[in-house]
Amino acid sequence: DAKTTQPPSMDCAEGRAANLPCNHSTISGNEYVYWYRQIHSQGPQYIIHGLKNNETNEMASLIITEDRKSSTLILPHATLRDTAVYYCIVRALNAGGTSYGKLTFGQGTILTVHP
Amino acid sequence: EAQVTQNPRYLITVTGKKLTVTCSQNMNHEYMSWYRQDPGLGLRQIYYSMNVEVTDKGDVPEGYKVSRKEKRNFPLILESPSPNQTSLYFCASSPGQGQWVSPVSGANVLTFGAGSRLTVL
Repeated sequence: DAKTTQPPSMDCAEGRAANLPCNHSTISGNEYVYWYRQIHSQGPQYIIHGLKNNETNEMASLIITEDRKSSTLILPHATLRDTAVYYCIVRALNAGGTSYGKLTFGQGTILTVHP
Repeated sequence: EAQVTQNPRYLITVTGKKLTVTCSQNMNHEYMSWYRQDPGLGLRQIYYSMNVEVTDKGDVPEGYKVSRKEKRNFPLILESPSPNQTSLYFCASSPGQGQWVSPVSGANVLTFGAGSRLTVL
């Protein structure tokens, strides 16, 4: 199963961009990269996902390297409310992929945004 | 509102007393899954279900059972709870293989419940 590696913690100043890295060196061609975040002990929430192109939505941007072995989640103007645990996972598009049903979240990155 | 509902949200019980944590989704999702979260260990998958009557083990299935008799419900059963099952539990669902997901969007997004905090004394 494809696994991801993230730094355990990161800090960011309010108003600055937060860049959260994720390594997924064994990713397969049919696997997407998904990012979720968890605020306090609430249920994780979806942020963004991508296959190989850079993606942007109202919450964040996702930069995926050309070889797809790593990605970076960018929160362009971090606020105090962005303080959370951020999880990067890979998941196959359909049940033919081994990472479709059995998912590994890991410990994620604790992002702390400072005033 | 599209959501995943877990009950109970909080429960304190004693060792050996069977309990069930219910999970229900109203999005017609085929895929459902259970996770536990412990300090320093992140989210670990307990069981998942690809569809009705189809369940499989995740990374930490010991001490748990699940069933999927209906598409909307996926209860987590602790037949004989022990203190090491004290944890925060999350249920999640997503569209499944029987439901077309655009290969362009790849939007097979998980929706999580609010969590169930279980304490076993």
